[in-house]
Amino acid sequence: QVQLVQSGAEMKKPGASVKVSCKASGYTFTSYGITWVRQAPGQGLEWMGWISAYNGNTNYAQNIQDRVTMTTDTSTSKAYMELRNLRSDDTAVYYCARGPVVPASILRYWFDPWGQGTLVTVSS
Amino acid sequence: QSVLTQPPSVSAAPRQKVTISCSGSSSNIGNNYVSWYQQLPGTAPKLLIFDNDKRPSGIPDRISGSKSGTSATLGITGVQTGDEADYYCGTWDSSLRGVVFGGGTKLTVL
Repeated sequence: QVQLVQSGAEMKKPGASVKVSCKASGYTFTSYGITWVRQAPGQGLEWMGWISAYNGNTNYAQNIQDRVTMTTDTSTSKAYMELRNLRSDDTAVYYCARGPVVPASILRYWFDPWGQGTLVTVSS
Repeated sequence: QSVLTQPPSVSAAPRQKVTISCSGSSSNIGNNYVSWYQQLPGTAPKLLIFDNDKRPSGIPDRISGSKSGTSATLGITGVQTGDEADYYCGTWDSSLRGVVFGGGTKLTVL
């Protein structure tokens, strides 16, 4: 079955970086993008950006584009999200999700399935 | 403050119908496809509706989606206690050039 499995919880100090991985299985990795969404404690969903596993193109949310890098390794069907210069308000559960379908003349932004989530805690 | 507006909470008795609204603008819902997600407590979101009104395989037909103008609606008929969850709408925003989500709606089954 289609599945995304993420790396484990991380605890970081302010100013540090974190790199979360997302291992895909059960589908052709390069036929989809991988989207990253985070959820602060008790809050809603916040889209961070996505990367095309087809050609590596990225699209980052404006509020974090200077601190985030998303990459993929097609040889291992893994996606990575690195967030730098961490702050306390980056404390959240970070999710990867499959989607959108690529390549496509019109990108349709629905995400299925989602990884189990990775808790990143930023605290001094 | 989310770009898409959802009611913070809705409630329904078992076996009743509930609807959850999602209001946006021409830069998002008005000109792009809407999807809906269910998030059970302590779990990852799950896709319920894509392309405004389509259900992925495995989602029962008591779940429905619709869109009209700059608003979208999620409908659940025959509400069950297992439907208690947070529900989110999402779509692309052409002005922000990113995906936007509603603030989420908590469904309580009375």
